[in-house]
Amino acid sequence: NAGVTQTPKFQVLKTGQSMTLQCAQDMNHEYMSWYRQDPGMGLRLIHYSVGAGITDQGEVPNGYNVSRSTTEDFPLRLLSAAPSQTSVYFCASSYSKAGGNTIYFGEGSWLTVV
Amino acid sequence: KQEVTQIPAALSVPEGENLVLNCSFTDSAIYNLQWFRQDPGKGLTSLLLIQSSQREQTSGRLNASLDKSSGRSTLYIAASQPGDSATYLCAASGKGGGADGLTFGKGTHLIIQP
Repeated sequence: NAGVTQTPKFQVLKTGQSMTLQCAQDMNHEYMSWYRQDPGMGLRLIHYSVGAGITDQGEVPNGYNVSRSTTEDFPLRLLSAAPSQTSVYFCASSYSKAGGNTIYFGEGSWLTVV
Repeated sequence: KQEVTQIPAALSVPEGENLVLNCSFTDSAIYNLQWFRQDPGKGLTSLLLIQSSQREQTSGRLNASLDKSSGRSTLYIAASQPGDSATYLCAASGKGGGADGLTFGKGTHLIIQP
């Protein structure tokens, strides 16, 4: 049971480039989300999804796009990378959005935009 | 809006000591509170989940308590070991949280000295 798998682990981008961070879970969880973690800022929610075909914005959605075509996958797209998007990105999943569920995190993706 | 505070931000203690990490939240209408551990360069791992109707949860040397009326949760670590060194985060789940109902604290960075 792999849990939540994120790829790539590390990535360096040039300003203006686009890329996709991949996230997959094998626990049949309905709820998936993307966070970024920055020093002194803690974890901030970018986008989340309560099921296939349903996505919504979090606290810091600008510059990011998501889609959820299957229950398993929730990719995060950076449309035109900016240095302010240098961060560690975490994908998470749980059984549902409602309270009472353990949250599982991926190992993280370290992104540097130069 | 829910706010979650963890004090202290960093803590260093000798091996073998029992210690308490604190987590306070401003909105007592929570569904649950979850404690996580984050090792350097890794994602978050769920340690304990306390439902709003519960007072405490235990797992091995870890015991987490919840007092909704005072807006506090504590994580008690018994007989600390160098392997317990990590950052510990708490997260409150409820209507007053972020877009996905979750509000994370910024964590307590714990160092256990051998």
